[in-house]
Amino acid sequence: DAKTTQPPSMDCAEGRAANLPCNHSTISGNEYVYWYRQIHSQGPQYIIHGLKNNETNEMASLIITEDRKSSTLILPHATLRDTAVYYCIVRVLGYGGSQGNLIFGKGTKLSVKP
Amino acid sequence: DAGVTQSPTHLIKTRGQHVTLRCSPISGHKSVSWYQQVLGQGPQFIFQYYEKEERGRGNFPDRFSARQFPNYSSELNVNALLLGDSALYLCASSLQLLGHTGELFFGEGSRLTVL
Repeated sequence: DAKTTQPPSMDCAEGRAANLPCNHSTISGNEYVYWYRQIHSQGPQYIIHGLKNNETNEMASLIITEDRKSSTLILPHATLRDTAVYYCIVRVLGYGGSQGNLIFGKGTKLSVKP
Repeated sequence: DAGVTQSPTHLIKTRGQHVTLRCSPISGHKSVSWYQQVLGQGPQFIFQYYEKEERGRGNFPDRFSARQFPNYSSELNVNALLLGDSALYLCASSLQLLGHTGELFFGEGSRLTVL
C-alpha cells in the first residue's frame, strides 16, 4: 500500500498557484519524497524530489515540513496544461528489489480552470 | 532525442491468449521497469531489469514474465490472459538502477483489452 495520503481532487484557477498537499506521517529518516504527474493518456512524468530541505526546479517547488510528516507541491502559475493526476511517493534511496520501485497511490486529480 | 517507446500502443486479446509487449528505453539507459495501471488506479510495479538481470519483482503471478536484451530493450509477456489483465502497461527507463535520483522516464504505454 502507498505510504502517502492525498486529497482525491482539487481545482485551481489558471494563473494562480496550485498547492497540492501530501501526508506521509510514517515516513522514515532515509525516505525521500517524490512527485510525479500523469496527464491524461500519457505516462507519468517526474516533477521533483526532496529529503529534508525545500527544493525548487523549473517545474515546481517542494515544501517539506520540519517533522517531514507532510509536504506540499507548489505549481507557481498553473496553466491548463497542468491539469493532471499528481502522485506523491515516498521511497528509500536504494537499489533493486522492493527499494527500487515506485509505489503509486491514487494521487490528486488537479483541474486547472480558465 | 527519442524517449521511451512502447509497442503496440493498443491491442485486444481474448481470455486465455498470450501477449508480448515491447519497450525500447532512452538511449544510454540500462534499467527498464514495467508497471501495470488499471483504470482509476495508480501504476503498480511489476518488474525491474538492469543489465539484463531481474532486480525487482512486484506482487504479480507467474503468468507475468519479462526479459531484457543486450541492447537494453525489454519484453513483457503475459500468459493465460484474464479479464483483470486489461490495463495500461507502462515501461520506464532510467540510467541506472533507481538509485540516487529516483527519476524514471515513462513511455506512453500499451493499452491491453482482454475480452
